[in-house]
Amino acid sequence: DAKTTQPNSMESNEEEPVHLPCNHSTISGTDYIHWYRQLPSQGPEYVIHGLTSNVNNRMASLAIAEDRKSSTLILHRATLRDAAVYYCILSSGNTPLVFGKGTRLSVIA
Amino acid sequence: GAGVSQSPSNKVTEKGKDVELRCDPISGHTALYWYRQSLGQGLEFLIYFQGNSAPDKSGLPSDRFSAERTGGSVSTLTIQRTQQEDSAVYLCASSISPDRGDAFFGQGTRLTVV
Repeated sequence: DAKTTQPNSMESNEEEPVHLPCNHSTISGTDYIHWYRQLPSQGPEYVIHGLTSNVNNRMASLAIAEDRKSSTLILHRATLRDAAVYYCILSSGNTPLVFGKGTRLSVIA
Repeated sequence: GAGVSQSPSNKVTEKGKDVELRCDPISGHTALYWYRQSLGQGLEFLIYFQGNSAPDKSGLPSDRFSAERTGGSVSTLTIQRTQQEDSAVYLCASSISPDRGDAFFGQGTRLTVV
C-alpha cells in the first residue's frame, strides 16, 4: 500500500545539483510531504517537509507541484557526504511516518 | 539529553530468551516511534506512542512483541522468546508532536539472535 513512488536509484556528479523526484498521486489535503535520508550505518535524518508551498532550508529545497501529486527534493550541490537513501513520506495528524524503499543516491567524485 | 538515546547499542541473545530495548526520547517530545531494519532492508514501522498511549500498534509483527511508555518519556520494546528472524537494528525516533515533520532518530540497537 505504497503512498509514494520513487526511483530505486540515482547517480549524480559531485558539486552538481540533484533533483530527486517523488510521486504521490493519492495525497490527501492534510498530508504533509516529508523527506528523510539515511546515510550508511546510521539512523534516518530529517531533511525537509512541506504542505503546499516550496520550502528551503540549509540542507535542501522542496519543490511541490501545484496539484501536490508530486514533489522534488533538490540538493543544490551534491557532495560525497550526500550519498544516502532518500525517503519521501506522506504523513498527517496522528499518523506515523511510514518509510518505503526510497531512492539510493550515489555521488561520483 | 541532546538527542534520542537507545540502549544497549548492541545485544546478542540466545534464541528463546526475552530482550528489552530502551529508548530515551528528546525531552519534551510527546511522539515516540519504534522501527526495525533488517540487513539491507528498509525501515519497518512497529509502534507509535502519543504520550503514554499507543494509538497505532499495527506494525508489531507478532504477540511476542510489546512496548510501553511511562511518564511520557522513556519507552521499552520487549521481545519475548526471541527468534532468529528478530535479528535487526531497532530504531527509535521522537518528535515534538505527531504532525511535526522533524522526527529525530537514535542510533539504534543492533539485536542478534543466535
